[in-house]
Order: sequence, then structure tokens, then C-alpha cells
Amino acid sequence: DVKVTQSSRYLVKRTGEKVFLECVQDMDHENMFWYRQDPGLGLRLIYFSYDVKMKEKGDIPEGYSVSREKKERFSLILESASTNQTSMYLCASSGAGTTDTQYFGPGTRLTVL
Amino acid sequence: KQEVTQIPAALSVPEGENLVLNCSFTDSAIYNLQWFRQDPGKGLTSLLLIQSSQREQTSGRLNASLDKSSGRSTLYIAASQPGDSATYLCAVLNAGNMLTFGGGTRLMVKP
Repeated sequence: DVKVTQSSRYLVKRTGEKVFLECVQDMDHENMFWYRQDPGLGLRLIYFSYDVKMKEKGDIPEGYSVSREKKERFSLILESASTNQTSMYLCASSGAGTTDTQYFGPGTRLTVL
Repeated sequence: KQEVTQIPAALSVPEGENLVLNCSFTDSAIYNLQWFRQDPGKGLTSLLLIQSSQREQTSGRLNASLDKSSGRSTLYIAASQPGDSATYLCAVLNAGNMLTFGGGTRLMVKP
């Protein structure tokens, strides 16, 4: 079974802190994704990566950066957390083909105070 | 820009009913359409994936259809059970390998 794990289920940070969210997949997938999910706004793509050290901006990249130094690991970085980044963050991974579904992690609920 | 809409936003049915969830999308140039299930506070679980060249996919009590030319998909759930209660999301895969999600349908199946 594909497994996508995220470093924390719940996280509370202060405004201005640097925040790291980590995601690890065990299926040698090429693609990895970070989404945020908010009531009324649905799931929105922040960044995705199609290979090590490669990244593409999604719909809402402002205020975020990402890092993919190894194929299995994709990190989302909030350089200076703000209250409007309080959200549920979901990581996903998939193979490179159009027949490949995305597999999601359990999510990290981040609260920025 | 692709937009995906799901109707209804919420649905409550008695156990045993057959039901249909609807999904529509604005740009028919898709590679595939996927249906996911999300339980409260959890991640998404893939249910069905329909390639753009396919018309439908089935898995157990679930059947998803795709009409690419009209920009519509339906998810049919037969003989619903309380365990089916969840939010159901559809998403389309466009060029650039990005999924665009609908807002979801929150389903409650009452015993």
C-alpha cells in the first residue's frame, strides 16, 4: 500500500515564526504536491514538484516556499507565518502518468496565533 | 482557467437509498477525472479514476461516469450505508499535471 506521511497532525505556531511541514512517500513517486484546504475555498494547490530539486508554483504560492532534496521527501516552508496561513495542509504524491492517481497524507492542521 | 463545480453541496439520505452526486467542469481538455472521499479531519482517499477516453468506471457499489464533451461527471452510490457518510470531491487533471478540485458534496446517510 502507498503511504504518504506528514510530520505533524496538529501544529501551533506564533506569527513571524518559520514553519517547516514535511511529507514523505514510500512509493518512489515522481510527483509530490502541497495543498491547503479551507472551508468555502476547497483544496488549492500551493506548489508541486515533478522531480528532485524541481518545483512549480500552484494557484497560491505567495508566502510559501518548498524544498525537494530527495525523491521521497517534500517540504513546505512558511518563512514568516501569518494568521491567514492557519489552515489544513495536505501533501500528496503520484506517478508521472495520466493514469496515476494522487495519494494523500493525513493532513497537518496548522494554527498561527 | 479550469473551474469545477459540485452539486449539491450537502445531501442527507436514509440508509439504503441510491444516490447521485454531480460534478461539472468548464474546460473539456482534461486527461482524467477522479473522485475522492474525505472523512472529517482526514486526508483524501481515491475512489475512482476515469481516463478522458473512458465513459465510466465501477468499484463495488460505486459507479462514476464521464461525459467530457458536456463537461460532466456523476458518481452513483448504490444502496447507501451510514459508513458512506463523508465528503466526496471530484477533481480533473489538466495539462501541467495539476488537479483542479470541486468544492465537494457532504453526504450524510442516516440509519
